[in-house]
Amino acid sequence: ETGVTQSPTHLIKTRGQQVTLRCSSQSGHNTVSWYQQALGQGPQFIFQYYREEENGRGNFPPRFSGLQFPNYSSELNVNALELDDSALYLCASSLGRGVSTDTQYFGPGTRLTVL
Amino acid sequence: ILNVEQSPQSLHVQEGDSTNFTCSFPSSNFYALHWYRWETAKSPEALFVMTLNGDEKKKGRISATLNTKEGYSYLYIKGSQPEDSATYLCAFHQGNNRLAFGKGNQVVVIP
Repeated sequence: ETGVTQSPTHLIKTRGQQVTLRCSSQSGHNTVSWYQQALGQGPQFIFQYYREEENGRGNFPPRFSGLQFPNYSSELNVNALELDDSALYLCASSLGRGVSTDTQYFGPGTRLTVL
Repeated sequence: ILNVEQSPQSLHVQEGDSTNFTCSFPSSNFYALHWYRWETAKSPEALFVMTLNGDEKKKGRISATLNTKEGYSYLYIKGSQPEDSATYLCAFHQGNNRLAFGKGNQVVVIP
């Protein structure tokens, strides 16, 4: 049990809609990273936040955005949903600022289906 | 885009048998390699963080080795048990705040 939680567990949206996914990190973890896992693929890095500031971004368009709050919670927002956004979205919290040896503790993910 | 390759993609193992699989990653600009174990409907669970060439790590019946010069890591499961059934993910740390994951090795242990 990592202590990282995500909500909701599952979500169904239609093309063009907007969605907000939520993550609660382990207490004391200043970094949260978000990943997208499409079917048959490994998790792909979306972005990372450290103490409420973006600290790195993967190859995702600007309609993917995030927020991190002082209470160790964070959000992933996706605007103008496309069918290809259907995936499992994982968040992971870690202690340091992008330290290569830091273990990232994952939540169970949110399964997003876009129709 | 960095390629992290895992092979084989899936394997079935008889209970009691030992098995191993491979993670290949870029051999330049190595920072760290992470192994995760992911059971269905659960969160990925950290197994090992490996940093030094020649590193060997062990956790119960699971162990891993690291060769940074040639860019590969092996994960071994000794005496497989049904509870070892899971997807094993390796992730290469690129040194720029992100992990690059492979697609995973899906292991099914047959009782």
